[in-house]
Amino acid sequence: KQEVTQIPAALSVPEGENLVLNCSFTDSAIYNLQWFRQDPGKGLTSLLLIQSSQREQTSGRLNASLDKSSGRSTLYIAASQPGDSATYLCAVRPPTSGTYKYIFGTGTRLKVLA
Amino acid sequence: NAGVMQNPRHLVRRRGQEARLRCSPMKGHSHVYWYRQLPEEGLKFMVYLQKENIIDESGMPKERFSAEFPKEGPSILRIQQVVRGDSAAYFCASSPVPGSRSYEQYFGPGTRLTVT
Repeated sequence: KQEVTQIPAALSVPEGENLVLNCSFTDSAIYNLQWFRQDPGKGLTSLLLIQSSQREQTSGRLNASLDKSSGRSTLYIAASQPGDSATYLCAVRPPTSGTYKYIFGTGTRLKVLA
Repeated sequence: NAGVMQNPRHLVRRRGQEARLRCSPMKGHSHVYWYRQLPEEGLKFMVYLQKENIIDESGMPKERFSAEFPKEGPSILRIQQVVRGDSAAYFCASSPVPGSRSYEQYFGPGTRLTVT
């Protein structure tokens, strides 16, 4: 059974720091992994999608890497800003035939202090 | 291109009433997923539907919950005889035909259900 864990559960950093959020999954056989951002009381915003054949994806100040063999992904945020404060979720899609559901981690709550 | 739309955004029901949550997928998307987020917990998959078909309902509670995605109109998640434990945020996501690995799910803003 696929399980997704995110560490740390919460993180508080001063503005301008570079930071790394971690996501680990127990079954390395995945189709893809997606990072989302969730603001309090709001929906999910997709940040980056990494295919199983890819090692990393970049968008602006965000870089996500994927190491399937070790069951890990990291989300790197450069030069953090107060507007980056949110909960960050990773989700994996297992290769179960016929279904395309995502399995989510419980998230990392990030607070960037001005 | 409008995103995934959910309504209502907030819903209050008394114990024993019925709750109906609606989801309109993005234009061109024919696959809908429902997820539930209980307070202080992660999102859990509930059900995956295509038009007029339930493909995977492995995450749906066995009783009181049902979902449909008719040929015309939005997808509906229906909860009968609600209890306090049903209070949660319910998210809908949609995707295009997920035949390739590049498929991506797009999420709606959610419906926050409060049972009093």
